[in-house]
Amino acid sequence: QKEVEQDPGPLSVPEGAIVSLNCTYSNSAFQYFMWYRQYSRKGPELLMYTYSSGNKEDGRFTAQVDKSSKYISLFIRDSQPSDSATYLCAIPPGAGSYQLTFGKGTKLSVIP
Amino acid sequence: DAGVIQSPRHEVTEMGQEVTLRCKPISGHDYLFWYRQTMMRGLELLIYFNNNVPIDDSGMPEDRFSAKMPNASFSTLKIQPSEPRDSAVYFCASSLTGFTGNTIYFGEGSWLTVV
Repeated sequence: QKEVEQDPGPLSVPEGAIVSLNCTYSNSAFQYFMWYRQYSRKGPELLMYTYSSGNKEDGRFTAQVDKSSKYISLFIRDSQPSDSATYLCAIPPGAGSYQLTFGKGTKLSVIP
Repeated sequence: DAGVIQSPRHEVTEMGQEVTLRCKPISGHDYLFWYRQTMMRGLELLIYFNNNVPIDDSGMPEDRFSAKMPNASFSTLKIQPSEPRDSAVYFCASSLTGFTGNTIYFGEGSWLTVV
């Protein structure tokens, strides 16, 4: 089993929809969870990170971690065409580790 | 700040040729990373440096790949000889000590095609 699994999509939604993006992971010791956004032909950029379980909200974006299920989610409310990008989850093996394991990314298109 | 700067942005080369990718990290950042991204394998860490010293190169796929960081503002990733399966986007990224929650900043990538 891979350490981080992510449905590659693609996912196409109408403008204004709520989007749910998900990853599963295998190692219960993971504590930090990140979401990166990658626009076409650009490098990834950090969108949000969370520690341990629970939710973290930033504007229209909410990151959620369910450690009991080893499942992380990114929700986008009131999705906009500018949200069209590939979203990658990323998990370091431990605090202070730079060796992020990335999911393969889910490509999202928000249709006006 | 100009961000992480990579060159070339695009390169098409013939199998067997040497390829050199270059990176200038963000000034003041003490960590530098080289990643490779393909459709099949996603984004993979190849090697990373701390204060110009290679810390972990376990992601480097073969001896054909080598990376150097002669000073704090410059790094190279070299493939010699190149093969078609090396075709990918290669990203350089940098970060500042004190990771957890700190951002790893990626460059825009070098798109390599080996024919």
